[in-house]
Amino acid sequence: QQQVKQSPQSLIVQKGGISIINCAYENTAFDYFPWYQQFPGKGPALLIAIRPDVSEKKEGRFTISFNKSAKQFSLHIMDSQPGDSATYFCAASRAAGNKLTFGGGTRVLVKP
Amino acid sequence: AAGVIQSPRHLIKEKRETATLKCYPIPRHDTVYWYQQGPGQDPQFLISFYEKMQSDKGSIPDRFSAQQFSDYHSELNMSSLELGDSALYFCASSNGGRGTEAFFGQGTRLTVV
Repeated sequence: QQQVKQSPQSLIVQKGGISIINCAYENTAFDYFPWYQQFPGKGPALLIAIRPDVSEKKEGRFTISFNKSAKQFSLHIMDSQPGDSATYFCAASRAAGNKLTFGGGTRVLVKP
Repeated sequence: AAGVIQSPRHLIKEKRETATLKCYPIPRHDTVYWYQQGPGQDPQFLISFYEKMQSDKGSIPDRFSAQQFSDYHSELNMSSLELGDSALYFCASSNGGRGTEAFFGQGTRLTVV
């Protein structure tokens, strides 16, 4: 049973467009929600993270929106660039520093 | 800034052989995690250590064992390797005592033939 469900599996967006990735979780004990970016053959790199007491967090072109009542959160990548082409994973844990449960990943392709 | 170091980066083993993967955490990080990532899959948590003690256990086969040493580096020992063990193995580290984010290494690509 996938505790963190991620959609879509893949996404194609034009340069300058907005990429939107959605995640939903089951376990209400989760209280830390990071997003990771992964390039082929590389380790996941932390992009941005949020806790449930905040509904939105923005860092540069990346924004997390969090809906605690719906147990959903999403990543928006504004002004998408070809260099953003990667696989993005949402994740959840009981606290920062605890084991992560990952979503299935979204492969994003930004066309020039 | 220093990152998580994993070695080796690539490893090819035959079925039924053993393999040892090493992880050197970021300095002053006291917690390490091991994850397995199959092709096109998300990383799956295997096991973690905090202050040299096992802190959590996930879907780690009985054929695998791990430990964290006094210098906080960790080793994942894999025995009786099977074709299905072929995957990327990632180590991550964090300062568990302070509840900081986990940072991942570049991974070890294990191929079992």
